[in-house]
Amino acid sequence: EAQVTQNPRYLITVTGKKLTVTCSQNMNHEYMSWYRQDPGLGLRQIYYSMNVEVTDKGDVPEGYKVSRKEKRNFPLILESPSPNQTSLYFCASSLSVSPYNEQFFGPGTRLTVL
Amino acid sequence: DQQVKQNSPSLSVQEGRISILNCDYTNSMFDYFLWYKKYPAEGPTFLISISSIKDKNEDGRFTVFLNKSAKHLSLHIVPSQPGDSAVYFCAAGNKLVFGAGTILRVKS
Repeated sequence: EAQVTQNPRYLITVTGKKLTVTCSQNMNHEYMSWYRQDPGLGLRQIYYSMNVEVTDKGDVPEGYKVSRKEKRNFPLILESPSPNQTSLYFCASSLSVSPYNEQFFGPGTRLTVL
Repeated sequence: DQQVKQNSPSLSVQEGRISILNCDYTNSMFDYFLWYKKYPAEGPTFLISISSIKDKNEDGRFTVFLNKSAKHLSLHIVPSQPGDSAVYFCAAGNKLVFGAGTILRVKS
């Protein structure tokens, strides 16, 4: 089954404790991205990757890191999480960056930073 | 400043009636628009799209209308069904700028 998976689905952590949210897709997609969803703000892009070893900042990259060592994986790293990073996070992938290619979203990771 | 705005946080409609969800955008360079639907505990899924060269695109019960001069698009769902109850996001542009979403509740 074609899908985007994220782990963990739920995470409660404390300020400053490094964490990684994994994202994997099995569709051989080149383009992957991370979004956060906050009430009243919709989905905002954090980082995106056009292909292996090619990553770039989205609209709200502060406090986040990403890497793209393999085509299928695109982990999101929070080196020192803070309470304002409490949010619902979605990973997405598509064939290419073009909007004509449907973006497939993962199920989401709900992160709470205390 | 939000480039894509959905000014109605929620909408409640009776089953069988029409649901109209609205979206406004500010960037005149946007040439492709999409609607995504999201159920609780799931990621958004693509619903329907429209290119700026068209003013209407229809897919079954779903129709999207685009008014470029007003920088406005709308999603019509006819007839509305309880299973349509979800959050609907409007998105635009190459890298998908999303609106804040509208919660649609279809009452049976």
